Amino acid sequence: EDQVTQSPEALRLQEGESSSLNCSYTVSGLRGLFWYRQDPGKGPEFLFTLYSAGEEKEKERLKATLTKKESFLHITAPKPEDSATYLCAVQERGSYIPTFGRGTSLIVHP
Amino acid sequence: NAGVTQTPKFQVLKTGQSMTLQCAQDMNHNSMYWYRQDPGMGLRLIYYSASEGTTDKGEVPNGYNVSRLNKREFSLRLESAAPSQTSVYFCASRAGLAGVGELFFGEGSRLTVL
Repeated sequence: EDQVTQSPEALRLQEGESSSLNCSYTVSGLRGLFWYRQDPGKGPEFLFTLYSAGEEKEKERLKATLTKKESFLHITAPKPEDSATYLCAVQERGSYIPTFGRGTSLIVHP
Repeated sequence: NAGVTQTPKFQVLKTGQSMTLQCAQDMNHNSMYWYRQDPGMGLRLIYYSASEGTTDKGEVPNGYNVSRLNKREFSLRLESAAPSQTSVYFCASRAGLAGVGELFFGEGSRLTVL
């Protein structure tokens, strides 16, 4: 069983159509949950770190939230330049290692 | 600042050949990581180095070796390449000694083993 599960695998939106990406995790104690953006042919780029349930962080059209079992990445009024793969990673308490989910591929059509 | 630099960017090998992927970071980070990324599998950790002088296995270490040459450089070696090692390899670094903070990734090295 994967420690980190992202859904959906792929998401197509029209420009301006808000939606959310989900990341559920099963680690017993969370040290941190990370969101990254990955453009085709590039390395992942850091977006947010969340540490405890109830925490929220925002950056432009993106807002990340965290509960005890999952995190959501909300995308408000997306633009075509938001098209990318979004990766979630969790790090268990006491571990040096972030474990990644398989990602959600987002395409925003103009 | 260059951040995390990986070389080569592309490589084609024949089965049984060996090669080394190089990674260097100029951010004075303590921890460094090697991941591989395959379609539908996400990023999987091969090896990591929590600090200079230490290395540890990750989720998929078989067929690989690593060397933390100094604080800046962390290399990944394939001693006898196999087609199953065809993948995109990413090196990453992180500032914290205690394993906190975000990862900074290189642009990736695309390896094909025939």
